[in-house]
Amino acid sequence: DAKTTQPPSMDCAEGRAANLPCNHSTISGNEYVYWYRQIHSQGPQYIIHGLKNNETNEMASLIITEDRKSSTLILPHATLRDTAVYYCIVRPTYNNAGNMLTFGGGTRLMVKP
Amino acid sequence: NAGVTQTPKFRVLKTGQSMTLLCAQDMNHEYMYWYRQDPGMGLRLIHYSVGEGTTAKGEVPDGYNVSRLKKQNFLLGLESAAPSQTSVYFCASSPPAGRMHEQFFGPGTRLTVL
Repeated sequence: DAKTTQPPSMDCAEGRAANLPCNHSTISGNEYVYWYRQIHSQGPQYIIHGLKNNETNEMASLIITEDRKSSTLILPHATLRDTAVYYCIVRPTYNNAGNMLTFGGGTRLMVKP
Repeated sequence: NAGVTQTPKFRVLKTGQSMTLLCAQDMNHEYMYWYRQDPGMGLRLIHYSVGEGTTAKGEVPDGYNVSRLKKQNFLLGLESAAPSQTSVYFCASSPPAGRMHEQFFGPGTRLTVL
């Protein structure tokens, strides 16, 4: 699986947009970009995923560059409950390891009042 | 639906003791996983299963065994616990490829080995 690079930490003011970057310069054509988050002491939670088009759901938007070498997760109106570690993961639709997810260090987002 | 549940939530073991962690899911998912998470780090895959009666090794399988006798349950065993196995253990499940991409995680089991 391709590796990802994320900043270790970011701050965001409550009510403002949080933009979390991720570099995945060695991504392959069949690999999706996934975002999960982990609120303190809880299990990770799926947020969104995409292949090459921008995606939006009730939680966030995912912007993938045209060359697919980087992406940005956008939380449009961050709240204190969005404080968490955010993981960017790349993975094929199907791999030989049961669709395992490979978690890196993630970005620790702190939303401040 | 309860989703993914894990039993127990907390456990303290002495070195050399054995125990079994139970993961249950009520979503009829084919795939199930066991991960461990050490302080300040991301999750690492221990073992996984792509269906009832099947298991496979993940990234860090040594010292652990698993069984998937029923589709809804995935058991993680520690035969002889070591302090290096002190960690938070997360179970997850997902449908097979081509249907959904999401893995659903349980709340975790905090294990301390003294």
